[in-house]
Amino acid sequence: GDSVTQMEGPVTLSEEAFLTINCTYTATGYPSLFWYVQYPGEGLQLLLKATKADDKGSNKGFEATYRKETTSFHLEKGSVQVSDSAVYFCALSRETSGSRLTFGEGTQLTVNP
Amino acid sequence: GAGVSQSPSNKVTEKGKDVELRCDPISGHTALYWYRQSLGQGLEFLIYFQGNSAPDKSGLPSDRFSAERTGGSVSTLTIQRTQQEDSAVYLCASSLGGGRVETQYFGPGTRLLVL
Repeated sequence: GDSVTQMEGPVTLSEEAFLTINCTYTATGYPSLFWYVQYPGEGLQLLLKATKADDKGSNKGFEATYRKETTSFHLEKGSVQVSDSAVYFCALSRETSGSRLTFGEGTQLTVNP
Repeated sequence: GAGVSQSPSNKVTEKGKDVELRCDPISGHTALYWYRQSLGQGLEFLIYFQGNSAPDKSGLPSDRFSAERTGGSVSTLTIQRTQQEDSAVYLCASSLGGGRVETQYFGPGTRLLVL
């Protein structure tokens, strides 16, 4: 079945550091790939997405590129801020599975000033 | 416009009792999903409604769980004879048409604690 694997957390960085959160997936066909974020005390919200190979999703300084050859969708940001502290979830969906989201385990990011 | 809303926000119940969780999707969204977020299992899919089609119940963990969606809008997730392992945050999401490229919008969740 479908699965998503994220790098284990928690991740702690200093402000302005470079961030990478690794995400790899297993799925048949051509899934869409997502990063969702859960800020403290808030609900899950979409951060960015990519729907086909080589697409790059970007939002709020975050980027991720859909790499079909390595089945990866790593999240990156060049300079993190304290306000980026949150839990980040990588996810995929496929049309043939009713477009349900299959999530990774989540990565807790803490950014210190 | 309003986002996805869920009620109650918190629910404490005793083992063996039944509970009902409610979800109000974004107006006009035809697809509705229920997920569960728990410490041991992460975020897992429970059930999916798309328009008037039969729901995809393949993620429901046992026959104690059921859900319905009335009039293509509000949905209720019912857990009968609750067990302690049912303790989790239950999340509802909706999307415009249910396609794989669409964004799912999540509600704030219902935190269920079974004593």
